[in-house]
Amino acid sequence: AQSVTQLGSHVSVSEGALVLLRCNYSSSVPPYLFWYVQYPNQGLQLLLKYTSAATLVKGINGFEAEFKKSETSFHLTKPSAHMSDAAEYFCAVRKANQAGTALIFGKGTTLSVSS
Amino acid sequence: DVKVTQSSRYLVKRTGEKVFLECVQDMDHENMFWYRQDPGLGLRLIYFSYDVKMKEKGDIPEGYSVSREKKERFSLILESASTNQTSMYLCASSSPRLLAGTGELFFGEGSRLTVL
Repeated sequence: AQSVTQLGSHVSVSEGALVLLRCNYSSSVPPYLFWYVQYPNQGLQLLLKYTSAATLVKGINGFEAEFKKSETSFHLTKPSAHMSDAAEYFCAVRKANQAGTALIFGKGTTLSVSS
Repeated sequence: DVKVTQSSRYLVKRTGEKVFLECVQDMDHENMFWYRQDPGLGLRLIYFSYDVKMKEKGDIPEGYSVSREKKERFSLILESASTNQTSMYLCASSSPRLLAGTGELFFGEGSRLTVL
C-alpha cells in the first residue's frame, strides 16, 4: 500500500530564507510522487512531479524536490522564500494497480512567510 | 488549459437536506474524482469514476453517492446532510494516459459546504 507522511503541519520562515517542507513516502512499487500547492480559497495546483526520470525535479515558482530512495523521502525546497509562497502544500503518491487510479495525499503543511 | 468547474463555491444547508455538488471538466477526461478536505486530515478520496455510469468507492464513501451520466459531469450527492459533512469538497479530473504516465490530477476550486 502507498502512503505519504508530511513532517510538520506548520512551517514559518522569513522572507528570503530557505524553505524546506518534508515528505516521506511508503510504497511497495516504484512511486510516482507529487507536490501540490493550495492558495487561500483555491483548488490545488501542481508544483512538481517525480516520475523516475530524474531524482532532482524542478517545478514552478522556483521550487524543487529531490527523490531519495534510500531515505524514502521527497522533500520540497526553495532557496529564497517570497511572501507569495504562503500557502498550504500537499505531498501525494500515486495509488498503484487500480483502474482509474487516484492520488493519496498527506495531511498538508501550511507555510507562513514573514517580512 | 484544463478547466474543472465546481458550480457552487459556498453552500449552507440544513441537517437532513439532500445536497448536490456539481463538477464539470472541459478536457474530455475519462477519470473524475471527489475528495474531501478537512484541516489536519488532508484530502481523502470519497468516490471516483473512470467512465460514464461507472463509479468506484474511495476511502470514505459512507453518507455519499455519485452520478456520472455524461463524460464531462460528475456529481456528488449527500442524501441526508449531517453536520459532520461540513467540509471543503474538491473535484478533480484526469485521463488514463496521464494516470498511466504520471497520475497527475487537475482540480477545481472547491465547494465549501456548511451543514447547520
